[in-house]
Amino acid sequence: GAVVSQHPSWVICKSGTSVKIECRSLDFQATTMFWYRQFPKQSLMLMATSNEGSKATYEQGVEKDKFLINHASLTLSTLTVTSAHPEDSSFYICSARDGREYQETQYFGPGTRLLVL
Amino acid sequence: EDKVVQSPLSLVVHEGDTVTLNCSYEVTNFRSLLWYKQEKKAPTFLFMLTSSGIEKKSGRLSSILDKKELFSILNITATQTGDSAVYLCAPGGGSNYKLTFGKGTLLTVNP
Repeated sequence: GAVVSQHPSWVICKSGTSVKIECRSLDFQATTMFWYRQFPKQSLMLMATSNEGSKATYEQGVEKDKFLINHASLTLSTLTVTSAHPEDSSFYICSARDGREYQETQYFGPGTRLLVL
Repeated sequence: EDKVVQSPLSLVVHEGDTVTLNCSYEVTNFRSLLWYKQEKKAPTFLFMLTSSGIEKKSGRLSSILDKKELFSILNITATQTGDSAVYLCAPGGGSNYKLTFGKGTLLTVNP
C-alpha cells in the first residue's frame, strides 16, 4: 500500500518552455500533497503544500507564478514549471499524506529529473 | 525557524559493523519524527516516532525518540552493502503536517 507515482521521470526541455509534472497516489486518497526540490548532494527543500480543492501554500522564496500547483482531486496533483530556465534544473519530488491517518507520514513518488537547456 | 541537525554527515564502515545516526531538532508544534532512506531516487519511509523512549524496530534497523532532549537516533546493526544510502531525519508538526528535513547522513558500507 501507500504507492505514489510521478510522471515523467526524466524531462529535458528548452529554456522558456513550460513543463508539467504529475503526482498520483495510487492506492489511497491524499488530502495533502507536497512538492520538494533537491539539488545534488543537498537535502529536500519543501516548495509548497497543496490540499485538495484549495490553493497551494508556498514556502518563502518560492515563486507561485513560476511553479503552478494544482490539486484538483484526492489522487492527483500537478506542478507546472513555467518559462523554465537552466537554474530550474533539479530533482523534483512529490509526496502524499494519507488523509485517513492523523499523522505526518508522507509517501514519496520516485521523482522527476528536470534538465533545462 | 525550524532546525534539524544530523550527525555525522557521512560515515564509512565495513560490512558487519553497527552504526548510530543522530538527529537533533527544534520544531514548532512538534508531533512526530520520521526517518527515511534515500538511495538514488526518492526517499523511502523507515520509521515514524511519536512517543519518547519507545523503540521502533524493523529487522536490523531500530530507532528511538527523546522528546525532552529533542533528539532521535537510528541504529543499524550488522550493516550490509545494501544499507549504503543517505538517511534523512524529518520532524513534523503544525496544521499542515509539514516535515522539515535534515541534510542527511551519507552511509557507505564497504564489503
